[in-house]
Amino acid sequence: SYDLTQPPSVSVSPGQTARITCSADALPKQYAYWYQQKPGQAPVVVIYKDSERPSGIPERFSGSSSGTTVTLTISGVQAEDEADYYCQSADSSGTYRVFGGGTKLTVL
Amino acid sequence: QLQLQESGPGLVKPSETLSLTCTVSGGSIGSSSYFWGWIRQPPGKGLEWIGNIYYSGSPYYNPSLKSRVTISIDTSKNQFSLKLTSVTAADTAVYYCARDEVASGTTDYWGQGTLVTVSS
Repeated sequence: SYDLTQPPSVSVSPGQTARITCSADALPKQYAYWYQQKPGQAPVVVIYKDSERPSGIPERFSGSSSGTTVTLTISGVQAEDEADYYCQSADSSGTYRVFGGGTKLTVL
Repeated sequence: QLQLQESGPGLVKPSETLSLTCTVSGGSIGSSSYFWGWIRQPPGKGLEWIGNIYYSGSPYYNPSLKSRVTISIDTSKNQFSLKLTSVTAADTAVYYCARDEVASGTTDYWGQGTLVTVSS
């Protein structure tokens, strides 16, 4: 099976920078996407195609990729950013999608 | 504004078939610009992609569920559906229907989700 690996949790203080990583063998061939999910809500995309930011998403959210790892960076973290974050990509053939296990971002 | 709404039984018995329908309003399901899919989330756990389907009827499934899953689309009703056979307690989850934009690959619209519990 194809897996995306994320750290289970990341903690930062308000105003600091949070970095959440996602790694897998197929990432160099397929784009990665990042979704934010708050309790009781459906996920919302915050980064698509590795580093593109949808309209309406604050500039403090950015994405990057290097080798088999993609990273979601949240600069100047705010209390409202506390949520679960999921990376998503596709297998090397692009046939099916897969989500990472999710990272809980805690704002201290 | 596009809206997606899941509907179906909230309780299914083990070994039976889970059936859900997603009704799309505010836009046509027959557009070549989108796929229509299902994602689930067991209570307290992460997201799992189930599969999606193009307006022409070509489905794609998660290999781990492929033997039990059928996704179909009815453009005349602006609906698409999920069937999952031989369910067990492990299939208990919030099931989301969603729209995938072809150009960006983004899942840009989601339903509110519906909890399906598998229990006798």
